[in-house]
Amino acid sequence: GAGVSQTPSNKVTEKGKYVELRCDPISGHTALYWYRQSLGQGPEFLIYFQGTGAADDSGLPNDRFFAVRPEGSVSTLKIQRTERGDSAVYLCASSLNPGTGEKLFFGSGTQLSVL
Amino acid sequence: GNSVTQMEGPVTLSEEAFLTINCTYTATGYPSLFWYVQYPGEGLQLLLKATKADDKGSNKGFEATYRKETTSFHLEKGSVQVSDSAVYFCALRDNAGKSTFGDGTTLTVKP
Repeated sequence: GAGVSQTPSNKVTEKGKYVELRCDPISGHTALYWYRQSLGQGPEFLIYFQGTGAADDSGLPNDRFFAVRPEGSVSTLKIQRTERGDSAVYLCASSLNPGTGEKLFFGSGTQLSVL
Repeated sequence: GNSVTQMEGPVTLSEEAFLTINCTYTATGYPSLFWYVQYPGEGLQLLLKATKADDKGSNKGFEATYRKETTSFHLEKGSVQVSDSAVYFCALRDNAGKSTFGDGTTLTVKP
């Protein structure tokens, strides 16, 4: 595709439910990142994939959060037993490779609201 | 760990005023430095970058110089326009490919 695509754009769920957020990166980009952004703050790193494997998952806040990228392209961020504090915009970004100077291309984000 | 600190906003300027948004960082190794911008209703996009000390990144009249001695990457523009109103994020990317962002500075330019 032309850019990074994230679906859904908005997700409203109830406390305790399970949600999946999808990211479709730019074709050919090997590196894929998930960030979380709360109002008035910058993107907070969650996890980064190089190909199919998670190169760094140190930002995942707890074991309710999990992400996969089984074929090295589309990625899914999964949140179990959602809590109100999980409400935020979840951003996905990709880059051609994980080189230091490579810029990130961001999707428009998924606004998650946990009621 | 790595961190980025940028000046708090919001910043309000009149058209054609001079802009500075301060950014300092803490990182091991030799990171690359970036400014991203988020216009109203749009996603984050790269504004400019610098990959080594003393490099100057520039785009759309904005400039920032990678200062290793002061660990800074301040954003400047000589004459802002109303269309520059946006949220600006300073970021670094380390040798492992991980990017860290500041909290953003909201700029409003009034005609």
